[in-house]
Amino acid sequence: EAQVTQNPRYLITVTGKKLTVTCSQNMNHEYMSWYRQDPGLGLRQIYYSMNVEVTDKGDVPEGYKVSRKEKRNFPLILESPSPNQTSLYFCASWRVNTEAFFGQGTRLTVV
Amino acid sequence: QKEVEQNSGPLSVPEGAIASLNCTYSDRVSQSFFWYRQYSGKSPELIMSIYSNGDKEDGRFTAQLNKASQYVSLLIRDSQPSDSATYLCAVNRGSSASKIIFGSGTRLSIRP
Repeated sequence: EAQVTQNPRYLITVTGKKLTVTCSQNMNHEYMSWYRQDPGLGLRQIYYSMNVEVTDKGDVPEGYKVSRKEKRNFPLILESPSPNQTSLYFCASWRVNTEAFFGQGTRLTVV
Repeated sequence: QKEVEQNSGPLSVPEGAIASLNCTYSDRVSQSFFWYRQYSGKSPELIMSIYSNGDKEDGRFTAQLNKASQYVSLLIRDSQPSDSATYLCAVNRGSSASKIIFGSGTRLSIRP
């Protein structure tokens, strides 16, 4: 089954404790992206990747890191999470000029 | 100016009526356009894609694209309570960049 898989689905952590949210797709898509969604603000792009080892900042990259060492995986790293990073996160992947496929989402709470 | 703009709503429509959702975009090089439906706390799901000017129909849904006016719309006929959700307009710039940008969404409520 074609899918984008994110883990974990839910995460509660403390300020400053490094965490990684994983994202994997099995559709051989070139493009992958991370979005965060907050009430009233829609989906805001954090980082996106055009292919292996090629990444670019989105609209809200501060406090986040990404890497694309393999085509299928695109982890999101929060080196020192803060409460303002409490949000719903989505990973997505797509081929050029086509629609995005989304993971199930990760609800992150930083206390 | 936001790259993709939608009215946030809420848009309230009686059951059985036509719901009309609108979206404008600023980047003229955009090549493909999508409408997603999102229920609260869930992932967006694709309901329509459109690539060329004109109308595209799929069941109760019709997407309309006007590249000259940089305008995309979604019509939902015979609205059902299950259509109550947030609708996200998305634009793919195409070419090698192929970045997908989302509007902030329109909340649609279908009243019985």
